[in-house]
Amino acid sequence: EAGVAQSPRYKIIEKRQSVAFWCNPISGHATLYWYQQILGQGPKLLIQFQNNGVVDDSQLPKDRFSAERLKGVDSTLKIQPAKLEDSAVYLCASSFGTSGSRFYEQYFGPGTRLTVT
Amino acid sequence: GEDVEQSLFLSVREGDSSVINCTYTDSSSTYLYWYKQEPGAGLQLLTYIFSNMDMKQDQRLTVLLNKKDKHLSLRIADTQTGDSAIYFCAESPGYSSASKIIFGSGTRLSIRP
Repeated sequence: EAGVAQSPRYKIIEKRQSVAFWCNPISGHATLYWYQQILGQGPKLLIQFQNNGVVDDSQLPKDRFSAERLKGVDSTLKIQPAKLEDSAVYLCASSFGTSGSRFYEQYFGPGTRLTVT
Repeated sequence: GEDVEQSLFLSVREGDSSVINCTYTDSSSTYLYWYKQEPGAGLQLLTYIFSNMDMKQDQRLTVLLNKKDKHLSLRIADTQTGDSAIYFCAESPGYSSASKIIFGSGTRLSIRP
């Protein structure tokens, strides 16, 4: 079974530029997550999709970050314009489903390391 | 609010047991997790424990949960060089958002020969 794919693996941009990250989840996984992991910290959830709908985007800085999952499969996370504090690893994860009473393991991709200079 | 705390570093001798500790604040946590992150890689789920359990054992891994003290620990028996990684404690706060996970800052485990 192929894992969660992410691209690019590394990106260096200047502040105020735009950047986009792509994620392809495990086939059949309904739920997709984007996390931000700042160096020395644990991942922080930015946005969660179930199929092509947003479940939770409460921690997404909506003035500069946007994400979409138009066909309920792969997803794109965009930052426009980038700030120095956006330097981090952006992790995508997927799981089979989401439910209030069942456990679904999240599978993580390798991440995209973003450096904003 | 929800918070997960763990010590930043742990160094153990190869072959010894490693014990990584974690405390959390949300008493309504349903699932508690241990994830492993190797350099340049995403997170890998090692094990999880449901909140009505006190202990879970899986080969070299033992998870202990003390709900009264909101304390979770991961014991790795016979620690090997391949166990070098960052270990994240995490919780899911409640049934209504079982898939939302709050992570600690991670404990970096290093192995001495």
